[in-house]
Amino acid sequence: GENVEQHPSTLSVQEGDSAVIKCTYSDSASNYFPWYKQELGKGPQLIIDIRSNVGEKKDQRIAVTLNKTAKHFSLHITETQPEDSAVYFCAATLNSGYSTLTFGKGTMLLVSP
Amino acid sequence: DAGVIQSPRHEVTEMGQEVTLRCKPISGHDYLFWYRQTMMRGLELLIYFNNNVPIDDSGMPEDRFSAKMPNASFSTLKIQPSEPRDSAVYFCASSPATGAKAKNIQYFGAGTRLSVL
Repeated sequence: GENVEQHPSTLSVQEGDSAVIKCTYSDSASNYFPWYKQELGKGPQLIIDIRSNVGEKKDQRIAVTLNKTAKHFSLHITETQPEDSAVYFCAATLNSGYSTLTFGKGTMLLVSP
Repeated sequence: DAGVIQSPRHEVTEMGQEVTLRCKPISGHDYLFWYRQTMMRGLELLIYFNNNVPIDDSGMPEDRFSAKMPNASFSTLKIQPSEPRDSAVYFCASSPATGAKAKNIQYFGAGTRLSVL
């Protein structure tokens, strides 16, 4: 089955800095890669996703890149703000028929004012 | 839509007691998932349903855990008897089946924090 590794487990940045979270996956057939943000006391919420037919996707201050050859994908947050502080999860799955998501262990991002 | 609704938000019980967690998925979603979240193991998929039918329960840790979905708007996860190592946050999520972009997107509830003493 699929295995997703996520690094780092914790990340501390100053407000305004950029943050990068990296994930690798094992199943070369996976072609859908979402990122979820979990705020304290809440469930994970989808913030951005990418499918294997593109290498990069942006949404305001967040972007995701995908390297299918190397089987890794990354989340980039620019101009970080204190409200970006949360746990971020990457996931991977095969977007054919229906397959379940395999999640990474999560990255706790702390943005200090 | 109010989103995925879970109850209770917090549950404290004693070892050996039965615990029932409840979930109401988003109306119209065909898939329902139960996850367990701990610091050590992260988010673990326990079981998922499609159109109220259990599809894969290979993540259920042991026979003490059971899940049902009697109709499209309600599911339960039961632990009997509960043990301290079951302490975790349990999430329910739902997902639509159709739409090339919509499927695979999971919408999570706020979770139930379970403490077994």
